[in-house]
Amino acid sequence: EAGVAQSPRYKIIEKRQSVAFWCNPISGHATLYWYQQILGQGPKLLIQFQNNGVVDDSQLPKDRFSAERLKGVDSTLKIQPAKLEDSAVYLCASGTNTDTQYFGPGTRLTVL
Amino acid sequence: DAKTTQPPSMDCAEGRAANLPCNHSTISGNEYVYWYRQIHSQGPQYIIHGLKNNETNEMASLIITEDRKSSTLILPHATLRDTAVYYCIVRVPYNTDKLIFGTGTRLQVFP
Repeated sequence: EAGVAQSPRYKIIEKRQSVAFWCNPISGHATLYWYQQILGQGPKLLIQFQNNGVVDDSQLPKDRFSAERLKGVDSTLKIQPAKLEDSAVYLCASGTNTDTQYFGPGTRLTVL
Repeated sequence: DAKTTQPPSMDCAEGRAANLPCNHSTISGNEYVYWYRQIHSQGPQYIIHGLKNNETNEMASLIITEDRKSSTLILPHATLRDTAVYYCIVRVPYNTDKLIFGTGTRLQVFP
């Protein structure tokens, strides 16, 4: 079975610019997660979708971050405007109501 | 916050067993112990989970103490490809709740 796909793999932008990341979950997975992983730390949830509805966005900086999951499949995460502290790896994961979340390879964002 | 404590780093010789400890003294009765690992430049990967009995699969073994306050992940014959950060997570199973990661243990397997 195909895994979670993410693009781009790497992105370099200057502060105050905007950026968008894309995620295609495993087919049939209703739950989709976006995690942020800062260097040296474990991943931290930004937002969780169940189908196309938001389950948890309590840790999403809503003044600059937004995410959507149209039609309950693909998802995009946007940052506008980016700050230096947004430099991190952005991981997308998908799952069902079983024990395993499947992670994509991540997008490494560098903000200069 | 993560409910687990792990050593920041460990070394292991290739071919030897790697034993990675985890403390979870505040684990609740309905919480399981999960292990994930993250190889460099990849997303985390599920390894194994358990409640109170020892568990084994094709990747690893999980030993949970009788009081459930700590556990050990065992990679019986470590290879260079096992070099990764290993995360111990406690959570209620069979749900879609987020994973709460700590800082994990960085395992370096050397030749």
